[in-house]
Amino acid sequence: DIQMTQSPSSLSAYVGDRVTITCQASQDIINNLNWYQQKPGKAPKLLIYDASNLETGVPSRFSGSGSGTDFTFTISSLQPEDVATYYCQQYDHLPTFGQGTKVDIK
Amino acid sequence: EVQLVQSGAEMKKPGESLKISCKGSGYTFSNHWIGWVRQMPGKGLELMGIVYPADSAIRYSPSFQGQVTISADNSINTAYLQWSRLKASDTAMYYCARSKGDYKSRFDSWGQGTLVTVSS
Repeated sequence: DIQMTQSPSSLSAYVGDRVTITCQASQDIINNLNWYQQKPGKAPKLLIYDASNLETGVPSRFSGSGSGTDFTFTISSLQPEDVATYYCQQYDHLPTFGQGTKVDIK
Repeated sequence: EVQLVQSGAEMKKPGESLKISCKGSGYTFSNHWIGWVRQMPGKGLELMGIVYPADSAIRYSPSFQGQVTISADNSINTAYLQWSRLKASDTAMYYCARSKGDYKSRFDSWGQGTLVTVSS
């Protein structure tokens, strides 16, 4: 299995803040990485695919970058509706997920 | 519109068997892998395995190999996840999700989830 390590495990920020989450793979996964958002009581939703491509309909305040083993997910201006847990997922091999980062509002 | 509709919540006793389902619509069901993802209470997402409905090829994640059975019936656009003997530790929300490409890809559409509760 490829292990995915996300940090931090949780964060609290003000509306309008820039929020950054990192994800590290246990081996080189090129750019084979996706990011999902899961709101409480809901199914996950794909936000970013292939490390940096925005899924159709996803607001442009969400972005992703990175390659190899180190990846970053950013919300440029945190909104109240962004309260959720965010997961990275590699697909270089059979998919595995990071442990999640819970984001809430201060 | 792509939709995955899962069967309803289940309450079972340890040792019982269970089969839950995921019906796809709005796309060619046979052409996309369907994954099953476990989410234990308060925990993260874990891929259990993934099935290709066109030929029933299956890939299991190592932690779930031998613990569950994944299958698909292409004729009725439905994927399944089953247990022969449930344990209390199988209590979780289970999601099905469509893979955009092959089994190594992104999950671009998700079912609403099936809550399985196992308790004596």
